Amino acid sequence: EVQLVESGGGLVQPGGSLRLSCAASGFPFSDHYMDWVRQAPGKGLEWVARSRNKANNYNTEYAASVQGRFIISRDDSKDSLHLQMNSLKTEDTAVYYCARSESYSAFDPWGQGTLVTVSS
Amino acid sequence: IQLTQSPSSLSASVGDRVTITCQANQGISSHLAWYQQKPGKAPKLLISAASTLQSGVPSRFSGSGSGTDFTLTISSLQPEDFASYYCQQHHTYPLTFGGGTKVEIK
Repeated sequence: EVQLVESGGGLVQPGGSLRLSCAASGFPFSDHYMDWVRQAPGKGLEWVARSRNKANNYNTEYAASVQGRFIISRDDSKDSLHLQMNSLKTEDTAVYYCARSESYSAFDPWGQGTLVTVSS
Repeated sequence: IQLTQSPSSLSASVGDRVTITCQANQGISSHLAWYQQKPGKAPKLLISAASTLQSGVPSRFSGSGSGTDFTLTISSLQPEDFASYYCQQHHTYPLTFGGGTKVEIK
């Protein structure tokens, strides 16, 4: 069974940092692109970042709202995806989902999400 | 690319035919997906490549369109279909979602 499990969410003060993780299982992790998508409370979905696979040099893409503050990374030896979030703002408060993807392809499946709250 | 999804909400009865539209402000070929999200749950992929029904998704769901105009249709609404629905383009970065459609019980 394909499974994605996020962890690392919590309460952090504005300006602080947090590192999210996503543990993957049930599929060849190294073959796939992986993404982070977030959803602010009561709001819609917002794509955050993408990590391409090894065949595509692990190249990354970011939403403008997080460019320069967030870093997506992966450890194929541990089937894990990470999101290092720095200089956090209150508007970064959201549930963060990791999702599997491909080039020109939809997100499928998604993890259950982890809540990040940025507040003083 | 901006995706304009309409309506933002609708009320319908069990058995109704429901249509949700998603319009892109520039052409995205067939690089569009539809997701269903229930409260407190992660989104679930229903349709990829504008019209490809995912395995296990009931056949009452269908998608159509290409270029800039897309449609998600539920042919006969069932109680478990009351949820929010989102379109998403995977043609160009940044990847973007429509604003969502909340389908409520009439």
